Amino acid sequence: DAKTTQPPSMDCAEGRAANLPCNHSTISGNEYVYWYRQIHSQGPQYIIHGLKNNETNEMASLIITEDRKSSTLILPHATLRDTAVYYCIVRVNTNAGKSTFGDGTTLTVKP
Amino acid sequence: GAVVSQHPSWVICKSGTSVKIECRSLDFQATTMFWYRQFPKQSLMLMATSNEGSKATYEQGVEKDKFLINHASLTLSTLTVTSAHPEDSSFYICSVPWRGSKYTDTQYFGPGTRLTVL
Repeated sequence: DAKTTQPPSMDCAEGRAANLPCNHSTISGNEYVYWYRQIHSQGPQYIIHGLKNNETNEMASLIITEDRKSSTLILPHATLRDTAVYYCIVRVNTNAGKSTFGDGTTLTVKP
Repeated sequence: GAVVSQHPSWVICKSGTSVKIECRSLDFQATTMFWYRQFPKQSLMLMATSNEGSKATYEQGVEKDKFLINHASLTLSTLTVTSAHPEDSSFYICSVPWRGSKYTDTQYFGPGTRLTVL
């Protein structure tokens, strides 16, 4: 699985968009970008994933650059409940979903 | 997506005892489940892959005789921490891979089990 780099922490004002970056410059053509988050003392929660096209669901949007070497997770209107550690994971669509977690980004949404 | 439960949510035990943690896939059958461990202020570390009907596959450095995994059915995997010691105190999380509409595997995680060994 490709290595990812994320900033260790970010702050965001409540109601504003939170933009979380992830660098994955060694990503292979068949590797997907996945985002999960972990609220304190809970299991991780799946957010979104994509291969090369931008994706949007009810939780977030995922923007993947054309060269696929980086991506951004966008929470359009952050709330206090979005405070969590956000993990960007890059992996192939095999191994029955096994994922390797890095250190992630701690997002703190402030009132 | 999948709904995954774990039991117990937290457990405190004495050093030297064994503790069993259950992971259940509530709404679909899973031939594979994953077990992770997370120490305070650290990321998740994959411990092993639980396989229904066959032996679990352990990650490098994880003692298979200490962390016994049994995939008893298509909806249940158990992790037994044998002869637990204080250094085994951690947050144990299971996950279930799920194939969605885009034919990609994602994972749904249980709520985790907090183990404290005294």
